[in-house]
Amino acid sequence: GAVVSQHPSRVICKSGTSVKIECRSLDFQATTMFWYRQFPKQSLMLMATSNEGSKATYEQGVEKDKFLINHASLTLSTLTVTSAHPEDSSFYICSSYSRGPGTSGVETQYFGPGTRLLVL
Amino acid sequence: GIQVEQSPPDLILQEGANSTLRCNFSDSVNNLQWFHQNPWGQLINLFYIPSGTKQNGRLSATTVATERYSLLYISSSQTTDSGVYFCAVGNYGQNFVFGPGTRLSVLP
Repeated sequence: GAVVSQHPSRVICKSGTSVKIECRSLDFQATTMFWYRQFPKQSLMLMATSNEGSKATYEQGVEKDKFLINHASLTLSTLTVTSAHPEDSSFYICSSYSRGPGTSGVETQYFGPGTRLLVL
Repeated sequence: GIQVEQSPPDLILQEGANSTLRCNFSDSVNNLQWFHQNPWGQLINLFYIPSGTKQNGRLSATTVATERYSLLYISSSQTTDSGVYFCAVGNYGQNFVFGPGTRLSVLP
């Protein structure tokens, strides 16, 4: 099946620094990728939709200047947390979808393994 | 937007017991998946099931799209089944909306 990878798997940084998280589709082209955030013991919440070659679409309440998204190729989207603060500590997960062959192909969403960010 | 509810929020089982997890959603969707999130955070895709019934080993799922609910059945539960089970719904080409999850603990 389709595979989505993320790097790094975990990162610890000091407050005020920037952190870049990469999301790659390994065996399919992903024109659209989604970025989710999950706080401890909570569900996944969509942060933004990343579209190859165009600007990302951010959900209400998500600061676009703080969470920079770049989707420069069909297999790579990056999320940069700028000037990170302890409240940005969270589990960040990306996903994309792959559709099976044919006009009625099944579309399945595939999720990366996630990146655990801890800001000290 | 679409609202997703899951019940129960928490479930404690003795190993070997059976259980049913429920997902209700507020609008018609053409994509529904069940996930198991393991202790390391990885989302494991269990079923793609926008309608109908599927079975995979001890797990099975049924979605009644016209009534906007889905059920996940776990039979003969094992300790390795512990974790959080999420139902997620959406439409093709769009993001998923996740339910709040059911936290399952299977005791030896």
